[in-house]
Amino acid sequence: DAKTTQPPSMDCAEGRAANLPCNHSTISGNEYVYWYRQIHSQGPQYIIHGLKNNETNEMASLIITEDRKSSTLILPHATLRDTAVYYCIVRVEMDSNYQLIWGAGTKLIIKP
Amino acid sequence: AAGVIQSPRHLIKEKRETATLKCYPIPRHDTVYWYQQGPGQDPQFLISFYEKMQSDKGSIPDRFSAQQFSDYHSELNMSSLELGDSALYFCASSLGQGFFGTQYFGPGTRLTVL
Repeated sequence: DAKTTQPPSMDCAEGRAANLPCNHSTISGNEYVYWYRQIHSQGPQYIIHGLKNNETNEMASLIITEDRKSSTLILPHATLRDTAVYYCIVRVEMDSNYQLIWGAGTKLIIKP
Repeated sequence: AAGVIQSPRHLIKEKRETATLKCYPIPRHDTVYWYQQGPGQDPQFLISFYEKMQSDKGSIPDRFSAQQFSDYHSELNMSSLELGDSALYFCASSLGQGFFGTQYFGPGTRLTVL
């Protein structure tokens, strides 16, 4: 079963904030939310992760709703180089075995 | 800064052949992860190793095996190759197991099975 759902694609104007939503309504209390992005066919790149509290780093902010059923990744000032597929991922534990369950991803296109 | 190194970058094999992919993690990283990404799909976790022991297991087929060596490099061995094995194979490394640490991905190996 899919743990996350994301819109397949989004556009954003260069210089504006890009807000990428993710639904994870079946997430459990100890399951982290991760975001990675993949530019073309390069290796995915870590962006940010969180459990309950909102998080911010030099790349982005992660806003997690209080019920943890959804989250939003915010790129504050999108540039053309931010065009990529953004994956919302849940870290799950099954039988003492950890996995990252990747979503289908949102293709974000930054337009000049 | 040193990144994850994967070799070869491209590999072409025939059906039923075997293939070995290599991964050299970032120095001092103790965990290696293997992923398979089919065309237009998200990466699928295969298996991971922490301190040379298997750590977590994903959707790795029985025809595949992997190990991590004393120098922390890892190899993914794939036998009885099928057309459906054609994909990008990524290796990632991190400090600490269980996907807690940030994973740094290599450039990938593109495997084509004819």
